[in-house]
Amino acid sequence: QKEVEQDPGPLSVPEGAIVSLNCTYSNSAFQYFMWYRQYSRKGPELLMYTYSSGNKEDGRFTAQVDKSSKYISLFIRDSQPSDSATYLCAIRSYNTDKLIFGTGTRLQVFP
Amino acid sequence: DTGVSQNPRHKITKRGQNVTFRCDPISEHNRLYWYRQTLGQGPEFLTYFQNEAQLEKSRLLSDRFSAERPKGSFSTLEIQRTEQGDSAMYLCASSERQGVDSPLHFGNGTRLTVT
Repeated sequence: QKEVEQDPGPLSVPEGAIVSLNCTYSNSAFQYFMWYRQYSRKGPELLMYTYSSGNKEDGRFTAQVDKSSKYISLFIRDSQPSDSATYLCAIRSYNTDKLIFGTGTRLQVFP
Repeated sequence: DTGVSQNPRHKITKRGQNVTFRCDPISEHNRLYWYRQTLGQGPEFLTYFQNEAQLEKSRLLSDRFSAERPKGSFSTLEIQRTEQGDSAMYLCASSERQGVDSPLHFGNGTRLTVT
């Protein structure tokens, strides 16, 4: 079993839609959760991070963590064509700086 | 541009040859990381440095791979006797310090193709 599972998509939505991206993880030792966005032929860039259960909001983006279910989500409101990218969840435990990434979900937002 | 810089952007080599990649982190970032990403997969951790000290290495980093960070500034990743399975994007990242609130800033990677 992989430590982090993420549906690779692709996910195709119309402009303005609400997008839900999800990951599950297997080890309860993981305590820090991040979402990265990666455009084609670019490196990943950090969107959000959180370390507690619940919601964290930043503009059109909301990160949600449910530690009891080992489930993390990223919601994008009012999606734009410029949001078209691959979204990677990443997790780490408290005693290491090593990030473990999901496979990434490819999102396409069409006008 | 003061982001993480990686060179070369692309490298094509024949199986059995040695290759070396360079990473220049953001100035004054103490931590430097190497990841590998294959098509359709997320980045996989290879190794990281705190200044010049290599603190952790993945099992993915076979004895054909070696990374250095002399003087705690730029870093090099060398692959000896390349194999076709080494074809991937090699990503470098840096962070200011330890801690989840010190995010990793990634470069745009070096794409290696082994023929």
